[in-house]
Amino acid sequence: AQSVTQLGSHVSVSEGALVLLRCNYSSSVPPYLFWYVQYPNQGLQLLLKYTSAATLVKGINGFEAEFKKSETSFHLTKPSAHMSDAAEYFCAVSGNTPLVFGKGTRLSVIA
Amino acid sequence: GAGVSQSPSNKVTEKGKDVELRCDPISGHTALYWYRQRLGQGLEFLIYFQGNSAPDKSGLPSDRFSAERTGESVSTLTIQRTQQEDSAVYLCASSYRQDQPQHFGDGTRLSIL
Repeated sequence: AQSVTQLGSHVSVSEGALVLLRCNYSSSVPPYLFWYVQYPNQGLQLLLKYTSAATLVKGINGFEAEFKKSETSFHLTKPSAHMSDAAEYFCAVSGNTPLVFGKGTRLSVIA
Repeated sequence: GAGVSQSPSNKVTEKGKDVELRCDPISGHTALYWYRQRLGQGLEFLIYFQGNSAPDKSGLPSDRFSAERTGESVSTLTIQRTQQEDSAVYLCASSYRQDQPQHFGDGTRLSIL
């Protein structure tokens, strides 16, 4: 069985500051891991995915995430936040089953 | 279009009426999923189809909710005798395989008066 925990339902950063959104997972099989972003009034859009290749995964819009097996983590980072990054972010995990989503983290960017 | 399409985009109806929501998945995607998202909340899994069979219906909140899928194509989610607590955005997603990334539609925003 798989599960995901996203630490912090709301994160607020200043424009230009580092973005760090935390995700820890639990999986009984080698996991596939995903980050999605949801802008207001839209569906979810895939940001990046880890599928057992490189542990550092680069996604769209300057985001990246690092798979750390020893820490069972897949945290999402971006060096410099833009106002347009304000959105809801969801981490998800799958093994040989459909994706299991975390509860989401709302990112606010302050000018 | 190449993406997941949902219709209607918005639906307002009176309490007690039945509603039908439609999802057109990406062509070739065998897996299809329905989620509910209440205002300011995360995703609530409803049901998953592999082809036209539903291996996992565990998320359907009550017997007022049902879903069907025709082959590896269109799916409809039906809510009978709607209640105010059914107000939410209903999201549909599809994927090539169950462990692969899901591609989402923009959702149907359902409001029960």
